[in-house]
Amino acid sequence: NAGVTQTPKFRVLKTGQSMTLLCAQDMNHEYMYWYRQDPGMGLRLIHYSVGEGTTAKGEVPDGYNVSRLKKQNFLLGLESAAPSQTSVYFCASSNRDTANTGELFFGEGSRLTVL
Amino acid sequence: AQKVTQAQTEISVVEKEDVTLDCVYETRDTTYYLFWYKQPPSGELVFLIRRNSFDEQNEISGRYSWNFQKSTSSFNFTITASQVVDSAVYFCALSEGRGTSYGKLTFGQGTILTVHP
Repeated sequence: NAGVTQTPKFRVLKTGQSMTLLCAQDMNHEYMYWYRQDPGMGLRLIHYSVGEGTTAKGEVPDGYNVSRLKKQNFLLGLESAAPSQTSVYFCASSNRDTANTGELFFGEGSRLTVL
Repeated sequence: AQKVTQAQTEISVVEKEDVTLDCVYETRDTTYYLFWYKQPPSGELVFLIRRNSFDEQNEISGRYSWNFQKSTSSFNFTITASQVVDSAVYFCALSEGRGTSYGKLTFGQGTILTVHP
């Protein structure tokens, strides 16, 4: 029972490089989210998706793109990484029926460092 | 817009002390949900509790207790007889109850709790 799996767990990038974080969930959840965690700022929502083929901006979307081509996967892309994107990234998913009560299932996080 | 404030950045206690983590929230919705999550040093987020806006009953679970007061927009978390294993970052979070909220959570800044032996 994997739940929410994030790949990779750790990555170091140079400024200007691109990369994609993959989130996969095996719970058949409709909703998926990408958050970033920074010291003293809690977790902030980057983008989210309420279904296959749909995405929406969250609180801090600039510099990121996302895609939800398959229901079970939610990709977060950095086209040109900047040091300000050094962070821990969390993916989460939820069932549509319980999403509004906040039953989010989180991945283990991906630590990204941009030099 | 909704907002969650955890004014205590770091708290340090000695084992067996009681400790209270404060959480104050802002929302214009009448229906909303409040949460506490624990993030131990290993990094994962562990769900602790959910409370809806219509239920102001305090809750106790073992050494943990939560005090929800709508009058002061607060949802405080108390650990009784703290233990070293309680050392973690604790997040308070808010979800609006509207269908269009899609379960999005607004998190507080987090409180780092260190329990010394």
